[in-house]
Amino acid sequence: GNSVTQMEGPVTLSEEAFLTINCTYTATGYPSLFWYVQYPGEGLQLLLKATKADDKGSNKGFEATYRKETTSFHLEKGSVQVSDSAVYFCALSSSGGTSYGKLTFGQGTILTVHP
Amino acid sequence: NAGVTQTPKFQVLKTGQSMTLQCAQDMNHEYMSWYRQDPGMGLRLIHYSVGAGITDQGEVPNGYNVSRSTTEDFPLRLLSAAPSQTSVYFCASSYSVRGRGEKLFFGSGTQLSVL
Repeated sequence: GNSVTQMEGPVTLSEEAFLTINCTYTATGYPSLFWYVQYPGEGLQLLLKATKADDKGSNKGFEATYRKETTSFHLEKGSVQVSDSAVYFCALSSSGGTSYGKLTFGQGTILTVHP
Repeated sequence: NAGVTQTPKFQVLKTGQSMTLQCAQDMNHEYMSWYRQDPGMGLRLIHYSVGAGITDQGEVPNGYNVSRSTTEDFPLRLLSAAPSQTSVYFCASSYSVRGRGEKLFFGSGTQLSVL
């Protein structure tokens, strides 16, 4: 079956530091890949996505590239802010059509950014 | 714009009690799903629905029932609560975007404790 593995957290950074959160996946075919973010006390929000190999998703300064050869979708940001403190989830949906709302999530990585 | 609305936000139950978690969406989305979030395990799919009258099991369906009588509503029923069902529950809705990579919209969650 499908699975997603994220780097262990929590991750603590100073403001303006470079961020990488690793994500690797196991899936058959060509899944779509996502990063979702959860701010304290809220539900998850889509941060970015990529639907085919070598696609780069980007939003709010965050980027992730779909690497099929390494089955990875690492999240990066060049300069984090205190407001980026949240839990980040990597996720995938089945290949070959719509996922009908069914995603496979990683365990989540807690990011804390200090001033 | 309400989006996905979950009630209640917090609930404490005793072992053996039953209850229903409510979920409603006002975006006319076809697909709805329920996830539970546990520390270190990410989100796991409980049940999902592809339209009114159609539901199916996810990864962890035992102890939960669902029904979808309308497009808008997708309640989750706990038949006989157990301490292992202590978790944060999220409802999500989505629609097909040309069959690939649809975005999930999440509610703000229900924190459930079973004593």
